Amino acid sequence: GEDVEQSLFLSVREGDSSVINCTYTDSSSTYLYWYKQEPGAGLQLLTYIFSNMDMKQDQRLTVLLNKKDKHLSLRIADTQTGDSAIYFCADAVNEKLTFGTGTRLTIIP
Amino acid sequence: DGGITQSPKYLFRKEGQNVTLSCEQNLNHDAMYWYRQDPGQGLRLIYYSQIVNDFQKGDIAEGYSVSREKKESFPLTVTSAQKNPTAFYLCASSTSGQGETQYFGPGTRLLVL
Repeated sequence: GEDVEQSLFLSVREGDSSVINCTYTDSSSTYLYWYKQEPGAGLQLLTYIFSNMDMKQDQRLTVLLNKKDKHLSLRIADTQTGDSAIYFCADAVNEKLTFGTGTRLTIIP
Repeated sequence: DGGITQSPKYLFRKEGQNVTLSCEQNLNHDAMYWYRQDPGQGLRLIYYSQIVNDFQKGDIAEGYSVSREKKESFPLTVTSAQKNPTAFYLCASSTSGQGETQYFGPGTRLLVL
């Protein structure tokens, strides 16, 4: 079945850029998503990209998609303390959403 | 306010007891989903429903049951057959079948006494 992988942890200094990476295995993905989860809360949709796009930018967020390498990344510019959370990538294949394990982003003051 | 609500926020289960988690949405979404989240793991799909009075098993349906009698509601029952029920349960909804953008509720944490 589909497999989506992420690093478990990332630490970044406040004000720097954060880059969270994700790899997936199924080349027939239609949409790829990034969700944010704060402690004890549900998942908040951050952004998504259609599989025929290379890049999508939304304010401080930039999503890059390398379909050849099946690699997705989320860049957060000017990282703030409020960005501390777990970030999940997910992809949609054959009407099924598969989630990665999540990357816990820690901000260093 | 439009959105998805889950209740209760915390739920305690005794051995051999069935418990039911509530999920309600007023987004007029056709599809609803239940996921289980364990520490250090991604979300795993328990059940989903694309239309009223119809639902399908996800990847880890054993020990769980659902119903979809109304478009707005998709309750999940954790039965006594589920031997390791302690987890964070998340409900989501979308406009149509899986693959459409899913929106999540705040979650219910289930603990076993």
